Amino acid sequence: SQTIHQWPATLVQPVGSPLSLECTVEGTSNPNLYWYRQAAGRGLQLLFYSVGIGQISSEVPQNLSASRPQDRQFILSSKKLLLSDSGFYLCAWSPSGLAGGHTDTQYFGPGTRLTVL
Amino acid sequence: QKEVEQDPGPLSVPEGAIVSLNCTYSNSAFQYFMWYRQYSRKGPELLMYTYSSGNKEDGRFTAQVDKSSKYISLFIRDSQPSDSATYLCAMSEMDSSYKLIFGSGTRLLVRP
Repeated sequence: SQTIHQWPATLVQPVGSPLSLECTVEGTSNPNLYWYRQAAGRGLQLLFYSVGIGQISSEVPQNLSASRPQDRQFILSSKKLLLSDSGFYLCAWSPSGLAGGHTDTQYFGPGTRLTVL
Repeated sequence: QKEVEQDPGPLSVPEGAIVSLNCTYSNSAFQYFMWYRQYSRKGPELLMYTYSSGNKEDGRFTAQVDKSSKYISLFIRDSQPSDSATYLCAMSEMDSSYKLIFGSGTRLLVRP
């Protein structure tokens, strides 16, 4: 079965510091990968998605970037955090068209709660 | 106007009640519809997946899609305190299946 991991679970960072959040998926190959941010009491905002190694699409211009150095690894980064970057960050995966299954059925990781002070 | 509208709640019901959760949407191109359950401080968990119109049942959960009205529902029978969570609807178009559009979620509280 497939498993998705995110770390760290909780992070408190000062304004202006760098950020690196990591997500890995097990039990599947060539997944589509996604980063979302969820602000308190609000819906999920898609930040980035990737259909393959090195292929990243950005949905919202902002202070963040994403990379996919390996097939099942997705990293969210920032060079300098802003107060507005605080939130709950969720990584998700879906089957690719090559692997079969519904590409829009996304499965979420446990999330990272980021507080920028 | 948001593409997907969902009442934030909270919706408070007694244990054993039938719960009805709803979303409306404006994009007639949406073809795939999902419901996720999210417990506090956890990632969303996929509950139900339906394609186009109709009903789908899974245990105590029934998902209903009415494309003519652009309205989807999730019914929970015999609700339990463990059903207390935020329920998110999500949907996507046929040709843009990478992009799920989420509702903002309805918080449900089932009282013992």
